[in-house]
Amino acid sequence: ILNVEQSPQSLHVQEGDSTNFTCSFPSSNFYALHWYRWETAKSPEALFVMTLNGDEKKKGRISATLNTKEGYSYLYIKGSQPEDSATYLCANAGNMLTFGGGTRLMVKP
Amino acid sequence: DVKVTQSSRYLVKRTGEKVFLECVQDMDHENMFWYRQDPGLGLRLIYFSYDVKMKEKGDIPEGYSVSREKKERFSLILESASTNQTSMYLCASSPPGGLAGNEQFFGPGTRLTVL
Repeated sequence: ILNVEQSPQSLHVQEGDSTNFTCSFPSSNFYALHWYRWETAKSPEALFVMTLNGDEKKKGRISATLNTKEGYSYLYIKGSQPEDSATYLCANAGNMLTFGGGTRLMVKP
Repeated sequence: DVKVTQSSRYLVKRTGEKVFLECVQDMDHENMFWYRQDPGLGLRLIYFSYDVKMKEKGDIPEGYSVSREKKERFSLILESASTNQTSMYLCASSPPGGLAGNEQFFGPGTRLTVL
């Protein structure tokens, strides 16, 4: 059983739509929360490493928030583009990274 | 440009064969990791290494071993491949410091099929 849960498991949106998905993790002994983007046939790439409660990070049209007290992080994509299609992974950093199952995003042109 | 390479993108082996998966990084990173990825299960840590000749078990080490003879190379070994080891295998590395606090740099993955 994963102790890092991501929802939804998959998501289809139209180009231009904004979207968001959730990562839930145990709030005790929190150290850091990682977000990765994994495009088909490529290597997973780090988007954000977040450590502080209330932290908000942004990279272009993608942003993430962190609530360590309640154990969740949201990833937002504004104005989705087909090139945003990928699996988005979050990972809770305790002693090691524990990954969630990922959210697979498909953006239709 | 940061780079982690894996020896094969696709590999097909037979049950009982000994399988070597090689990973090389050119960033002079101390920490290296092997994960497997299965649908719905996320990435699961098999083994990691924080220095040459050092290795630690991850969450699912059974059926696997590793070798780290040089800093840049971390090998995953399946002593006797079984069909339940059919999976996508990902190697990663990270700079020194907290193993979990630094972002990890991943290779492209090896999709292993065991028949």
